[in-house]
Amino acid sequence: DGGITQSPKYLFRKEGQNVTLSCEQNLNHDAMYWYRQDPGQGLRLIYYSQIVNDFQKGDIAEGYSVSREKKESFPLTVTSAQKNPTAFYLCASSILDGSPQRETQYFGPGTRLLVL
Amino acid sequence: DQQVKQNSPSLSVQEGRISILNCDYTNSMFDYFLWYKKYPAEGPTFLISISSIKDKNEDGRFTVFLNKSAKHLSLHIVPSQPGDSAVYFCAASANNAGNMLTFGGGTRLMVKP
Repeated sequence: DGGITQSPKYLFRKEGQNVTLSCEQNLNHDAMYWYRQDPGQGLRLIYYSQIVNDFQKGDIAEGYSVSREKKESFPLTVTSAQKNPTAFYLCASSILDGSPQRETQYFGPGTRLLVL
Repeated sequence: DQQVKQNSPSLSVQEGRISILNCDYTNSMFDYFLWYKKYPAEGPTFLISISSIKDKNEDGRFTVFLNKSAKHLSLHIVPSQPGDSAVYFCAASANNAGNMLTFGGGTRLMVKP
């Protein structure tokens, strides 16, 4: 059945290490997004991609990098430059058909990143 | 500067009564609004949306009201059920921003049996 998968569910990062969070969707959605949620706060946009091989920075892109080599996949790398990486990371996807009514974003189950 | 605000961090309601969750926004370019429900350690799930051409949208127990002049929207859940206990996020989108969503900080709803 169709959906968005994120792996791993929990990820531990050591000091100075880069880690990559996986996001895959089989919904044939055009756009994909990465958000970060901190305790008691809303979701903040890190990066988004509307088409393969193209992506844009969101509100808090510093210390993160992404790639979009395939329509189904949008991995997020948390680099050592991200000084406060502990958070819950959510991936989402949506259709983009340009209609006046915006397409709903659908979310994956999330990855919790913890720093050792 | 928060463009979407949910001023009540938590709300407690008795089972069977109405739950009203509120959301305010400042960006007049927002023209599409959504509510998401989120359980701990899970991704948000879409609940209901409303376009700025409407002032009300209903789906079962859930109704969203939009007051454009006040830049305010609310989600009504009636009757409330214990399974509705979760964090609710409102989100807004602007026509000139593609499909980008700006989220509020969330309201934790607790429905007591």
